[in-house]
Amino acid sequence: AQTVTQSQPEMSVQEAETVTLSCTYDTSENNYYLFWYKQPPSRQMILVIRQEAYKQQNATENRFSVNFQKAAKSFSLKISDSQLGDTAMYFCAFSNTGANSKLTFGKGITLSVRP
Amino acid sequence: EAGVAQSPRYKIIEKRQSVAFWCNPISGHATLYWYQQILGQGPKLLIQFQNNGVVDDSQLPKDRFSAERLKGVDSTLKIQPAKLEDSAVYLCASSPPRPLIDEQYFGPGTRLTVT
Repeated sequence: AQTVTQSQPEMSVQEAETVTLSCTYDTSENNYYLFWYKQPPSRQMILVIRQEAYKQQNATENRFSVNFQKAAKSFSLKISDSQLGDTAMYFCAFSNTGANSKLTFGKGITLSVRP
Repeated sequence: EAGVAQSPRYKIIEKRQSVAFWCNPISGHATLYWYQQILGQGPKLLIQFQNNGVVDDSQLPKDRFSAERLKGVDSTLKIQPAKLEDSAVYLCASSPPRPLIDEQYFGPGTRLTVT
């Protein structure tokens, strides 16, 4: 079974600064997907960024980028130029491939952006 | 495009009572998921439907939880009887048929409080 570990329960960052959220996972599979989801207070979960394990190039989406280290089973999220709207819980998630794939989530990290 | 709809948004019941949640996925999405998210934790998959068939219900407490997806569209999740530990946010998500990547779209959730 796959596991996803987010060891930092919360972090705080000054507006306009850069912050990195950590995530490690465990799997015996070679091909899979990794995701970061954002859940703002009292709002619904949305996808921030995703990474296919077979791709060596790290995914980027505007101010969001990942550092994917497959051998170390590490998948961190970097948020550049932090904005107040980035305040939320962030979940790292793993998905196997195939027709019956499912997401396994970490416990999440609460990120607060200070004005 | 309308998102995943869920109702009610909030529900407070006493233990041993029954409760039902409703989910309407994004039009055309074949796969539907129900998650339980306990405060401070990541979502945990309860059940996954492919059209109107169950793909995975291995983590569904079947002695008290039931779910159905009649006609492969809307779905209901029922708890009978409820326990204190069922207090959580129940999230519904859907994904399109044959997704290249398991991209799930989440609804706003139903926050259940059992007293």
